[in-house]
Amino acid sequence: ILNVEQSPQSLHVQEGDSTNFTCSFPSSNFYALHWYRWETAKSPEALFVMTLNGDEKKKGRISATLNTKEGYSYLYIKGSQPEDSATYLCALPTGTASKLTFGTGTRLQVTL
Amino acid sequence: ETGVTQTPRHLVMGMTNKKSLKCEQHLGHNAMYWYKQSAKKPLELMFVYSLEERVENNSVPSRFSPECPNSSHLFLHLHTLQPEDSALYLCASSPGTENTEAFFGQGTRLTVV
Repeated sequence: ILNVEQSPQSLHVQEGDSTNFTCSFPSSNFYALHWYRWETAKSPEALFVMTLNGDEKKKGRISATLNTKEGYSYLYIKGSQPEDSATYLCALPTGTASKLTFGTGTRLQVTL
Repeated sequence: ETGVTQTPRHLVMGMTNKKSLKCEQHLGHNAMYWYKQSAKKPLELMFVYSLEERVENNSVPSRFSPECPNSSHLFLHLHTLQPEDSALYLCASSPGTENTEAFFGQGTRLTVV
């Protein structure tokens, strides 16, 4: 069973703050790491798919890094806005058809 | 709009009822999945279909029965469920390779009474 851990479990920041959270995973048999954003009452949506050690990806104010040797990925949000409020999930694909094993998520709340 | 549509969005059923959840995608994806989200637990994989063949059945009780009649449609048939089966059921599809993202439906919120 693949163990994917995320921390912190929840986070409450003020508008304009920058924040980051962590996804930890076993470094053996690594294929890829996915980050998803899940807003309340909506579908989870992919932010990034990362495959290479040292990968860094960016989408607007959100960026992510990957360290496959030590088994972690960081997600950063610069200048948080209320619309960034969501649960951020990381997941690792394994096996046939790349079924995803998810972490428990980090719930981010951004207030004015 | 992710391209994956689930119906119904909400469902309340008694323990003796039979109901079905439906998922539809027209993204040309080869793989479709059912996930379950229970309170304070990670998303759990239930079933995987690749090219309409079931490739994963994650020790799910037989009261949940999936069906994939073609590459665009996936069903989850529900029969004699228990109150602890109340959860959010999410469908997803993907091209089926590790470096491609999954696309999710909005889910069915199921309550078993």
